[in-house]
Amino acid sequence: GAVVSQHPSWVICKSGTSVKIECRSLDFQATTMFWYRQFPKQSLMLMATSNEGSKATYEQGVEKDKFLINHASLTLSTLTVTSAHPEDSSFYICSARGKYTEAFFGQGTRLTVV
Amino acid sequence: AQSVSQHNHHVILSEAASLELGCNYSYGGTVNLFWYVQYPGQHLQLLLKYFSGDPLVKGIKGFEAEFIKSKFSFNLRKPSVQWSDTAEYFCAVNAPKANFGNEKLTFGTGTRLTIIP
Repeated sequence: GAVVSQHPSWVICKSGTSVKIECRSLDFQATTMFWYRQFPKQSLMLMATSNEGSKATYEQGVEKDKFLINHASLTLSTLTVTSAHPEDSSFYICSARGKYTEAFFGQGTRLTVV
Repeated sequence: AQSVSQHNHHVILSEAASLELGCNYSYGGTVNLFWYVQYPGQHLQLLLKYFSGDPLVKGIKGFEAEFIKSKFSFNLRKPSVQWSDTAEYFCAVNAPKANFGNEKLTFGTGTRLTIIP
């Protein structure tokens, strides 16, 4: 299947700092990318959907000013957690789909805010 | 809004045992159904999917699932598990009409499967 690469795999940051997570589609053009968050022992929850060149659409309850999503090209989307706090510690996963393909998932990023 | 329930949180089986993981969804319209597997430290991988047609779907690694519309269920089965099947399994549903074609998925909470050699 198609490859979606997420970077970094894990990151530890201090409270109040910002963290950027990258999601790349390596062998296809990702017209749409999705960002999910998984808290311990809970399911993946969709945070936002982004189409290339457009503003992201956020799910209810997700702060768009805190979780900045950029999808400037057909192979890259970024999620920036601004002013991170310990409650933002979670596992963040992106998925990407092409115009005629199903969605493929990245490896995920484990964020720990201390 | 749709929701997905996976009632088995942790299943422990011996090698060669048969497996069935439950998945129920709530949505009144047409849905696409998926099972994903996440091996330790790896990304989510698609095991199988149902869009339409034969309700018995065969996936990779010997897994299969049956869509029973009347029960809103899509249970995952494997006749004989192996130690390498130890992983987290997620059921997911996508309602394409409601999502205007986007592949937004609603996931269940996952079932951790541990296979004892």
